[in-house]
Amino acid sequence: GQNIDQPTEMTATEGAIVQINCTYQTSGFNGLFWYQQHAGEAPTFLSYNVLDGLEEKGRFSSFLSRSKGYSYLLLKELQMKDSASYLCVLMDSNYQLIWGAGTKLIIKP
Amino acid sequence: DVKVTQSSRYLVKRTGEKVFLECVQDMDHENMFWYRQDPGLGLRLIYFSYDVKMKEKGDIPEGYSVSREKKERFSLILESASTNQTSMYLCASSVADRTTGELFFGEGSRLTVL
Repeated sequence: GQNIDQPTEMTATEGAIVQINCTYQTSGFNGLFWYQQHAGEAPTFLSYNVLDGLEEKGRFSSFLSRSKGYSYLLLKELQMKDSASYLCVLMDSNYQLIWGAGTKLIIKP
Repeated sequence: DVKVTQSSRYLVKRTGEKVFLECVQDMDHENMFWYRQDPGLGLRLIYFSYDVKMKEKGDIPEGYSVSREKKERFSLILESASTNQTSMYLCASSVADRTTGELFFGEGSRLTVL
């Protein structure tokens, strides 16, 4: 079966850098996604990795290692508005999305 | 601005009542989905649809049904609501290409069943 693990909660300081890790087990793989969800709001798409390596998009970067079943989301120059939950999402061999429970990121001034 | 609109943000219903959750998207997307989101769990897929009048069961379809009579509208129905269906319900849509994992979500409908 499939399984996704990510920390439940993390705290970081405004202006700093934070890395949110995600590990997964799956028999088939078609990509890994990160979504952001502010409290009381809908999830929104952040990034997509299907090949190993780092994808950079502004202050956010996402990394994937398929052999290790590992991804991380890196957020730089943290701002208060980055306080949100970050969802790690796996696309399996049938192109179905498997959602992690999310990491709640708390940013302190 | 593209949108997925869910009819009700908050609902309170009694056990045994029939509940309709409506979702409309204006992006001409082929694919539509209904998820529920509960604390400490990832989103769980209830039903999805890749075309008008087409529906497929997701991971937790028991106690739910859906209707897709028009491309832009996907309705979730709880025939007889139960307390364990108290949850946040999220509707989403995406383009036809199933390899694309980018979903566009509505704001969610928080249902409480008493």
